[in-house]
Amino acid sequence: DAGVIQSPRHEVTEMGQEVTLRCKPISGHDYLFWYRQTMMRGLELLIYFNNNVPIDDSGMPEDRFSAKMPNASFSTLKIQPSEPRDSAVYFCASSFAGGFRPQHFGDGTRLSIL
Amino acid sequence: AQTVTQSQPEMSVQEAETVTLSCTYDTSESDYYLFWYKQPPSRQMILVIRQEAYKQQNATENRFSVNFQKAAKSFSLKISDSQLGDAAMYFCAYNGDTDKLIFGTGTRLQVFP
Repeated sequence: DAGVIQSPRHEVTEMGQEVTLRCKPISGHDYLFWYRQTMMRGLELLIYFNNNVPIDDSGMPEDRFSAKMPNASFSTLKIQPSEPRDSAVYFCASSFAGGFRPQHFGDGTRLSIL
Repeated sequence: AQTVTQSQPEMSVQEAETVTLSCTYDTSESDYYLFWYKQPPSRQMILVIRQEAYKQQNATENRFSVNFQKAAKSFSLKISDSQLGDAAMYFCAYNGDTDKLIFGTGTRLQVFP
């Protein structure tokens, strides 16, 4: 079975540009999570969805960040405009039936904002 | 609010030896789940083991086992017969009455031949 698929794996762009990160969860999973990992702050939950509906976006740092899940097999995390401090590894994870079940992570997107 | 603390930023072990990674957490909840995730240099997050708080028996997965002390709010990971492939960052995580996972800051494990 395919795991969680994220794209791109690496993204380098200039400050001010729009960045879109993509995620395909495991088929049948009804929860999707977006995390950000930095040396300074560790792993932070940004937002999560249940059945395509955003449940908690309290971790989204600013209005420049937005996330959507138009259907059960696709989600995007968008940063507009991007800033150098947004540089991080962004992970998508999915699970079945809630956070108490193991979350399956994608390989992450390493984002560098110049 | 729940917190997870990993007090060992780095640990090292010789191949074939045993190492224990520490994790403590703070919560007022009685039902919750605890996890250990491994992040090798490839950066993928891999589930190592899961413990349900209402189960007194410690979880084991092959060479990996936990020492779960609910009263002390301690959840340590023991790796037996360490292998070079065990070298990675290890994260302890907590899940309570929400769907969120709260992660510790991680412990970097080095394995020497």
